[in-house]
Amino acid sequence: AQKVTQAQTEISVVEKEDVTLDCVYETRDTTYYLFWYKQPPSGELVFLIRRNSFDEQNEISGRYSWNFQKSTSSFNFTITASQVVDSAVYFCALSETYSGAGSYQLTFGKGTKLSVIP
Amino acid sequence: NAGVTQTPKFRVLKTGQSMTLLCAQDMNHEYMYWYRQDPGMGLRLIHYSVGEGTTAKGEVPDGYNVSRLKKQNFLLGLESAAPSQTSVYFCASSRRDGWLGNTEAFFGQGTRLTVV
Repeated sequence: AQKVTQAQTEISVVEKEDVTLDCVYETRDTTYYLFWYKQPPSGELVFLIRRNSFDEQNEISGRYSWNFQKSTSSFNFTITASQVVDSAVYFCALSETYSGAGSYQLTFGKGTKLSVIP
Repeated sequence: NAGVTQTPKFRVLKTGQSMTLLCAQDMNHEYMYWYRQDPGMGLRLIHYSVGEGTTAKGEVPDGYNVSRLKKQNFLLGLESAAPSQTSVYFCASSRRDGWLGNTEAFFGQGTRLTVV
């Protein structure tokens, strides 16, 4: 079973629109980390945020905000007033303290490609 | 600060050839990972290591071997390259955060490998 699901393969928005990227995860662990990464067209992977399983506070960083809900196993990412520079592939990832076959694996979703049209 | 450095950045191999990809990190991180990225597949874990001298299989380990003889280096080997191994390979490292597991991973710039 897929541990991290990003159901939206591609999203296109017009500049200044708000957009939410969905992430649903699956784990039997009670302690784990969730992450979001950005991969711009240049190809590097840029860390955006980390959230541990004991901290359900939502977080805002400038135009970015994250909504973590353990009840629905979701960790969604919202970009407010999107800009062309936000165009990238965004990955959600899960790190468990124990994952059966081995510990501390870092598992990624398949990513959501966001295109912001000027 | 170098962070995570991968060498080489580009490589073209013929089917059946072997090669080693080198990953070096200067952050004294305990955990290191090798991923491959293919269109529509996201990042898939090949092998990883939770410490010097230890390695473990990830999601797609077949056709690859790894070694971590030194804490700062994590080598990925292809013994007999196949066209299906054409991909972009990323190395990453992360720090252990006590009992919570690992923290955010820092990635190298990637290696674009083409097997013809």
